[in-house]
Amino acid sequence: AQSVTQLGSHVSVSEGALVLLRCNYSSSVPPYLFWYVQYPNQGLQLLLKYTTGATLVKGINGFEAEFKKSETSFHLTKPSAHMSDAAEYFCAVIHTGFQKLVFGTGTRLLVSP
Amino acid sequence: DTGVSQDPRHKITKRGQNVTFRCDPISEHNRLYWYRQTLGQGPEFLTYFQNEAQLEKSRLLSDRFSAERPKGSFSTLEIQRTEQGDSAMYLCASSIIRGRGRNEQFFGPGTRLTVL
Repeated sequence: AQSVTQLGSHVSVSEGALVLLRCNYSSSVPPYLFWYVQYPNQGLQLLLKYTTGATLVKGINGFEAEFKKSETSFHLTKPSAHMSDAAEYFCAVIHTGFQKLVFGTGTRLLVSP
Repeated sequence: DTGVSQDPRHKITKRGQNVTFRCDPISEHNRLYWYRQTLGQGPEFLTYFQNEAQLEKSRLLSDRFSAERPKGSFSTLEIQRTEQGDSAMYLCASSIIRGRGRNEQFFGPGTRLTVL
């Protein structure tokens, strides 16, 4: 069975600081991996995804993530936080042959001036 | 706007009443998914359709829940005899079957259900 662990329910950074949101997955085979962002009372927007190929993937709004098979991780980073990045971030996996996304519990990113 | 749309955005109902939500996927998307998100949690899969066929249902989808996609376009999710535990955000998503973006699910804004 697949599962996703997001370390830290809340992460606080200052504007301009590095953002690092952690995600580890559990799967018998490498899954497809996703990061979604959710603003209050809204649906989820896809930030980036890893399926195959290059392990460093770039997404929208300056975010990127690196798939590390040996560490079963897919951490999300952004070099410089902006106030507009404050939101809830969800890591998710999907296994080849299945259709449902399995989400982590989310990390709320707080950005202070 | 060609994204996924959901209606209504908010629904308040009394315990025991029936409610129905609608989802309109992106027009060329064959697959449609329903998820439920409770406060402080990530979304949880409920069910999905490929065209009009319902291909998978989660054990979370009790007998009081039913979903349909009669013509392979829009979908409805009905909850009968609502309970307070049904209070949640119900999210709809859609995706294509083949092609470069086949693994991407695009989400609608959700319907927030409050059961009093």
